[in-house]
Amino acid sequence: GNSVTQMEGPVTLSEEAFLTINCTYTATGYPSLFWYVQYPGEGLQLLLKATKADDKGSNKGFEATYRKETTSFHLEKGSVQVSDSAVYFCALILNNAGNMLTFGGGTRLMVKP
Amino acid sequence: DTEVTQTPKHLVMGMTNKKSLKCEQHMGHRAMYWYKQKAKKPPELMFVYSYEKLSINESVPSRFSPECPNSSLLNLHLHALQPEDSALYLCASSQPSEYEQYFGPGTRLTVT
Repeated sequence: GNSVTQMEGPVTLSEEAFLTINCTYTATGYPSLFWYVQYPGEGLQLLLKATKADDKGSNKGFEATYRKETTSFHLEKGSVQVSDSAVYFCALILNNAGNMLTFGGGTRLMVKP
Repeated sequence: DTEVTQTPKHLVMGMTNKKSLKCEQHMGHRAMYWYKQKAKKPPELMFVYSYEKLSINESVPSRFSPECPNSSLLNLHLHALQPEDSALYLCASSQPSEYEQYFGPGTRLTVT
């Protein structure tokens, strides 16, 4: 089956620190990969995506590169802000598989001033 | 307009009540979804509508009844819920041929 594994949180960082949240996946085909962010009390927002190997998704200073050889899609940001505190979900969709998102367990990020 | 709206924002209902959750999008998307999210967990897919027809039902109990009256609206009718059904209910939409799903803010449901 398909699955997504994320590092367990919470991840606690000081403002301006470097962020990495690890994400690896198992899929029976060639998935598209996503990072979603959920701020407290809100729904999910699409943060970035990559649809094929070696694609780099980027948005709001966050980046992730689709690594087929390591089946990974790690999220990085060079300098986090307090406003980045949220839960981050890595997810995949298999092409031609009914648009069913498979989510990782989520990683809570806490950024302290 | 890249927004999915959901009403109400909060809902408290007893186990004998009947209520409905509403979702609306004006992005021209033809696929719409209901998810259930428990605290500190990822969303779980409940239903998928594609071109206003139910295409996926993830073995959801019959006390949850979805309805898609047109391409912009999605309802979730609730009846005889249990306290364990308390959760955040999220609606999402996308184009059937694309994979980016856009989520609404959710309805926080409490069953007493």
